[in-house]
Amino acid sequence: DQQVKQNSPSLSVQEGRISILNCDYTNSMFDYFLWYKKYPAEGPTFLISISSIKDKNEDGRFTVFLNKSAKHLSLHIVPSQPGDSAVYFCAARNFGNEKLTFGTGTRLTIIP
Amino acid sequence: NAGVMQNPRHLVRRRGQEARLRCSPMKGHSHVYWYRQLPEEGLKFMVYLQKENIIDESGMPKERFSAEFPKEGPSILRIQQVVRGDSAAYFCASSTRDSNEQYFGPGTRLTVT
Repeated sequence: DQQVKQNSPSLSVQEGRISILNCDYTNSMFDYFLWYKKYPAEGPTFLISISSIKDKNEDGRFTVFLNKSAKHLSLHIVPSQPGDSAVYFCAARNFGNEKLTFGTGTRLTIIP
Repeated sequence: NAGVMQNPRHLVRRRGQEARLRCSPMKGHSHVYWYRQLPEEGLKFMVYLQKENIIDESGMPKERFSAEFPKEGPSILRIQQVVRGDSAAYFCASSTRDSNEQYFGPGTRLTVT
């Protein structure tokens, strides 16, 4: 049972444009959401997070939006840069539970 | 400020051998997590430990796998009698007691031949 879903395995975006990565979840007990970026042969790097009591969190070029009623979150990267090319994982955490549940990832390619 | 350290980075074992994966958390972090990533999949939670305590092992296979985080030294993930299906990337993450974010190490890539 895949509780966190990233339905787009890959995404290509022109440099300078906005990249939008999407994530859906099914477990209404999730109360905290995170985005990680991963380069090949490296560990995931924490990017940005959002609590379920908020609907938006911004950090530099990265903004995460949370729509609780739709059980959907998205990561916006603007402007996109070549160094943003990586696999992006959405992760979620249950209230009172430390373990993270990950999606299967979206491979973002920024075209120069 | 060193990040999460994992060693070895690559480990090759023959079927039936034991694999030991080590993880040193970030300085000041007392919580350690292990995750496994199979090819073309996301990361799957295995176990959550604090010093000398296993807090949640709900993701650990029932047999052959064990984990510890001793008072001194790194956390160890031990896989006995490895099989080909154990081939994967194993990631360790750490956090502080009050943090919502987990920080990951570079991973150990285990290959079972």
